[in-house]
Amino acid sequence: GENVEQHPSTLSVQEGDSAVIKCTYSDSASNYFPWYKQELGKRPQLIIDIRSNVGEKKDQRIAVTLNKTAKHFSLHITETQPEDSAVYFCAASDGSGTYKYIFGTGTRLKVLA
Amino acid sequence: DVKVTQSSRYLVKRTGEKVFLECVQDMDHENMFWYRQDPGLGLRLIYFSYDVKMKEKGDIPEGYSVSREKKERFSLILESASTNQTSMYLCASRPTVQETQYFGPGTRLLVL
Repeated sequence: GENVEQHPSTLSVQEGDSAVIKCTYSDSASNYFPWYKQELGKRPQLIIDIRSNVGEKKDQRIAVTLNKTAKHFSLHITETQPEDSAVYFCAASDGSGTYKYIFGTGTRLKVLA
Repeated sequence: DVKVTQSSRYLVKRTGEKVFLECVQDMDHENMFWYRQDPGLGLRLIYFSYDVKMKEKGDIPEGYSVSREKKERFSLILESASTNQTSMYLCASRPTVQETQYFGPGTRLLVL
């Protein structure tokens, strides 16, 4: 079946540095790619999303890039802060129209003060 | 503000018990989902519903069933709980396809 691979599984950065998380998807018909942040003990919450007709989207310190040809998309966090520490999940829409999102396995980001 | 609630934050059940997990959303969303979250495995889809009384199997439906009699409520049923169903269960809803999913707070289920 369709799947989404997410790397790395854990990432530690110094406060103020940048963090990059990468996802690769298999369904060439996928056209919606959300990113969720899950803090410890809390529910996942959307932080940014991108659609296939756009190559890049930015929201303050967070940006997402999409390469449709290579079928991968990445989350970029600049000037990291301790409150960015969380698990981040990428997802891709199922292109067959089944309404599903296929999630990556998550990246645990630790920002070291 | 979208609100998705789940009936319990923590549950402890015995093997063989029938377990009901309920999810309610207050934003008239069409689509609702049940996931389980396990360390290293991410979010795995159990069942989803794109409309009232409609349901579709996700990636891991075995041992589960669902019910959606009203638009705002989506129930997950463990017909006969087993220890390998110990997990965090997350409900989500969204207005329609390719829109943001909003998650509930989760139910941590322990099956003894």
